Amino acid sequence: GNSVTQMEGPVTLSEEAFLTINCTYTATGYPSLFWYVQYPGEGLQLLLKATKADDKGSNKGFEATYRKETTSFHLEKGSVQVSDSAVYFCALYTGGFKTIFGAGTRLFVKA
Amino acid sequence: KAGVTQTPRYLIKTRGQQVTLSCSPISGHRSVSWYQQTPGQGLQFLFEYFSETQRNKGNFPGRFSGRQFSNSRSEMNVSTLELGDSALYLCASSGNDRVGEQYFGPGTRLTVT
Repeated sequence: GNSVTQMEGPVTLSEEAFLTINCTYTATGYPSLFWYVQYPGEGLQLLLKATKADDKGSNKGFEATYRKETTSFHLEKGSVQVSDSAVYFCALYTGGFKTIFGAGTRLFVKA
Repeated sequence: KAGVTQTPRYLIKTRGQQVTLSCSPISGHRSVSWYQQTPGQGLQFLFEYFSETQRNKGNFPGRFSGRQFSNSRSEMNVSTLELGDSALYLCASSGNDRVGEQYFGPGTRLTVT
């Protein structure tokens, strides 16, 4: 079946460090891929998306590239801020009116 | 545009009771999905509705049910509450042309004692 695997957290970084959160997927067909972010006490927010192979999604300094050959969609940011501390979810959609989410990766950024 | 709203935000119930949660999607969005979020199980899909029809359902017992109204507002109901039902219940809406791209409400925090 379809699934998403994310690196386990928590990830702890100092401010201005480089961030990578790994995400790999298993899917039949050609999924759309997403990253969502959840700040404390809030629902999830769509961060970025990519709908086909080699697409790069980007938003607020975050980027992820849809790699079909490695079935990956790793999230990166060049310089994290304390305000980026949150839980990040990788997700895929292949149809069937159901989005599959990864387990989430908690990020702590220290000043 | 107003975002997805959920009511109530917090709820405390006793085992055996039932509860109804409400979700109003973004104006113009006709698809509404519900999720249960817990620290141990993560984000689990409950069901999805479109134009008052349930199009998909997750692996939850029959105590969990939902419905959607003609104005796209949705409710979910949990009967005979168990301690394990304590969770954050999230609602998300999607536009017709952006299937898979979801916009979430703040959630309803349900505590069962």
